[in-house]
Amino acid sequence: SQQGEEDPQALSIQEGENATMNCSYKTSINNLQWYRQNSGRGLVHLILIRSNEREKHSGRLRVTLDTSKKSSSLLITASRAADTASYFCATSNSGNTPLVFGKGTRLSVIA
Amino acid sequence: EAGVAQSPRYKIIEKRQSVAFWCNPISGHATLYWYQQILGQGPKLLIQFQNNGVVDDSQLPKDRFSAERLKGVDSTLKIQPAKLEDSAVYLCASSLGAATGELFFGEGSRLTVL
Repeated sequence: SQQGEEDPQALSIQEGENATMNCSYKTSINNLQWYRQNSGRGLVHLILIRSNEREKHSGRLRVTLDTSKKSSSLLITASRAADTASYFCATSNSGNTPLVFGKGTRLSVIA
Repeated sequence: EAGVAQSPRYKIIEKRQSVAFWCNPISGHATLYWYQQILGQGPKLLIQFQNNGVVDDSQLPKDRFSAERLKGVDSTLKIQPAKLEDSAVYLCASSLGAATGELFFGEGSRLTVL
């Protein structure tokens, strides 16, 4: 079963605007990860945030984690047409359990 | 560094036929995963290997799906007989060790069952 649930399902913005995607999950986690998938390609890891962290940055990406609300957000600043892709959050429980992915947010950045 | 290799990239078969997908993980990665991704959905884990042993195959439809990872390197996923609902992309991923780390994905094998 899928633990993470992204919101919105689809998002369309103009180039240069910021894009925010949210992820909610149900059970306690060890870490939460965000992946990008371009059409017809495999998933690419973007960022990992551990359960004891609240915010993390990587280039134009900013991820926050609120374990009390069981939610995370991914912010892409100054979006580009090349950011057009599906974005998935994935959660890992403690131990050797595998990542469980959400259904994803489809982001379209219009030039 | 070479990435995760998968083949074939595309396969079209009739229902009740069989198909096999191959995956070569990144060198040195002990953990290998097969995920199924149906159009418009997120990847769903089918099976996880640690070296050549199965860690989790709870969501693998064992009446028709099988997977092996001989010698703890390459892996093969087989479907026999295929059903219409097996149409999906089959993604292979690998990681260095612990399942909680970053996964590296291949480009996937797209299966169409007619």
